[in-house]
This record gives sequence, C-alpha cells and structure tokens, in this order.
Amino acid sequence: SAVISQKPSRDICQRGTSLTIQCQVDSQVTMMFWYRQQPGQSLTLIATANQGSEATYESGFVIDKFPISRPNLTFSTLTVSNMSPEDSSIYLCSVAGARNEQFFGPGTRLTVL
Amino acid sequence: KQEVTQIPAALSVPEGENLVLNCSFTDSAIYNLQWFRQDPGKGLTSLLLIQSSQREQTSGRLNASLDKSSGRSTLYIAASQPGDSATYLCAVWGTYKYIFGTGTRLKVLA
Repeated sequence: SAVISQKPSRDICQRGTSLTIQCQVDSQVTMMFWYRQQPGQSLTLIATANQGSEATYESGFVIDKFPISRPNLTFSTLTVSNMSPEDSSIYLCSVAGARNEQFFGPGTRLTVL
Repeated sequence: KQEVTQIPAALSVPEGENLVLNCSFTDSAIYNLQWFRQDPGKGLTSLLLIQSSQREQTSGRLNASLDKSSGRSTLYIAASQPGDSATYLCAVWGTYKYIFGTGTRLKVLA
C-alpha cells in the first residue's frame, strides 16, 4: 500500500483567492487522481494527473479553475482558483497501486467565506 | 455512462447484528470493485478489492462479493460493533478511473 500525505489539512479562505493543495506519496506511482467531495456527497473525480503529460479533466472541471501540476512520480498539486463558497469541499488525492487498487490521502477540508 | 448506486443510504443497527450493504453498477465492463470506509471529515480507507475474475474477498469480519453479470456487489459485516460506524463507499474501476457510489451511512448502536 502507499502512504499519502496532503497539505494543508484544512483552510478557510476568502472569496476570490486561490489555494494550492499538495499531495506527497511515499513511493513512485504513475497515476494520481484528484477528487472533490462536497458536503454530504460522494466523491467526484476532478482530474487524473500523469507525470510528464497534461492532466485529464472530467466533464464539468476545467484547467483554468483547477490547474494541476505533476512534476515527478511522488508529488502533485491542485490549485483551486478564484474561489467561491460553492468550492467549499473536501479535496482528496489518491494513487493507483498494483491491480489498480486506490489509496487515499487524508484530504484537505476547504471552507470559502 | 457508468452509474453506481448504494442501498440503503443510511442504516442504524444494534451492536452484534450481521448486516449487508449493497452496491449496484450499470455497466458490467469493470476491471475491479473496491470497498472503502470513510470516517467523518476524514479520507478513505480501503477495505477490500475484488478483481473482475474473482467472486469474493474476505478480511476479518468483512466479506465482499461480486456478480458482474448482474451488476452487483455486497459487503457483509459480521457481528457489527460501534467502531464500525462510518460511511461505506463502493467504487468500480472501468476505463482508467474509479466511479464512486452514493455511500451508505452506518451507525452501530451500543
């Protein structure tokens, strides 16, 4: 299994600002994923981040709003840009291990005022 | 488009009961199915992974089954305990990504 850490664990931000969330894995992985979990909801995939290529975004999510970096095989960042209260969610990163089993970080709880 | 549904949405049981959580998916062309547990405000903990060639997996008091042809999986929890209280999510791996179910919120009463 993989051990994943995220920073920050939580933050309270003002409308119109941006927040960058970091995700660090203890081993090299090809595929990393970013999810959003709105209050009381299940997980929705934002994008898949592969090292050395552009992130692949799901329908309803765009690069200008959620730019992603993947500089190496153990690290990725997700930025939530020009935030509004609707962006208040838990943001989770995950990795695919052997057999495509997914492992998750502890999440970043974001509140936008 | 793959859709994953979990029934019931919420469940409250007395301690010691055996219980079954259900997961249904609309597209049977999956590579595997994974069950997770999520405690309030926390990330997800992987419970069981069932590959498409398998029918079931067991870990301690947990047993998960998979019937691809009918688009169903069940998670069986034996002798439930208050510490089992959490939200349980299933997810299916199709084309390079997981699709998550709607979740079952479980409360086990002491």
